[in-house]
Amino acid sequence: EAQVTQNPRYLITVTGKKLTVTCSQNMNHEYMSWYRQDPGLGLRQIYYSMNVEVTDKGDVPEGYKVSRKEKRNFPLILESPSPNQTSLYFCATGTGLADEQYFGPGTRLTVT
Amino acid sequence: EDQVTQSPEALRLQEGESSSLNCSYTVSGLRGLFWYRQDPGKGPEFLFTLYSAGEEKEKERLKATLTKKESFLHITAPKPEDSATYLCAVQARGIYNFNKFYFGSGTKLNVKP
Repeated sequence: EAQVTQNPRYLITVTGKKLTVTCSQNMNHEYMSWYRQDPGLGLRQIYYSMNVEVTDKGDVPEGYKVSRKEKRNFPLILESPSPNQTSLYFCATGTGLADEQYFGPGTRLTVT
Repeated sequence: EDQVTQSPEALRLQEGESSSLNCSYTVSGLRGLFWYRQDPGKGPEFLFTLYSAGEEKEKERLKATLTKKESFLHITAPKPEDSATYLCAVQARGIYNFNKFYFGSGTKLNVKP
């Protein structure tokens, strides 16, 4: 079954404690992306990757890091989380440049 | 600045009462406009892609249309299972931002039986 998986699904942490949210896809897609979703603001793109070792900033990259060492994985790293990073995070994948995206189930992060 | 605005924020319909959702956009050259459906607690699910003004796409009770400044998602004779949040997104054509996607904040549709 084609799917995008994210882990963990729920996370409560404290300010400054480094964390990683994993994203994995089994569709052999080249394009992967991270979004955060906040009430009234919609989905905002954090980072995206066109292929292995190729990543670039989206609209709200501050406070986040990503890496793409393998085609199937695209982890999101928060080196020093702050309360304003409390949000619902989605990983998405796509086949190409102008194409629909397939979203993971989401990770709800709370930073206290 | 690339921007997507959806209206209304929320829409309540009776079963069978047709209506339209609006997505207006400003983008430096449109590469594609996308509609997604999002159910509570889940990730967005792809519905349609539109590429040029005048294009239309249909799927069951949903029909998406595109002009140079906006897109409409028409819902004909909706059923309670159509209740969800509908998201619009655009992809710009520019050299430096064609891999970026800009989403609206969505329209929450509630269809009552």
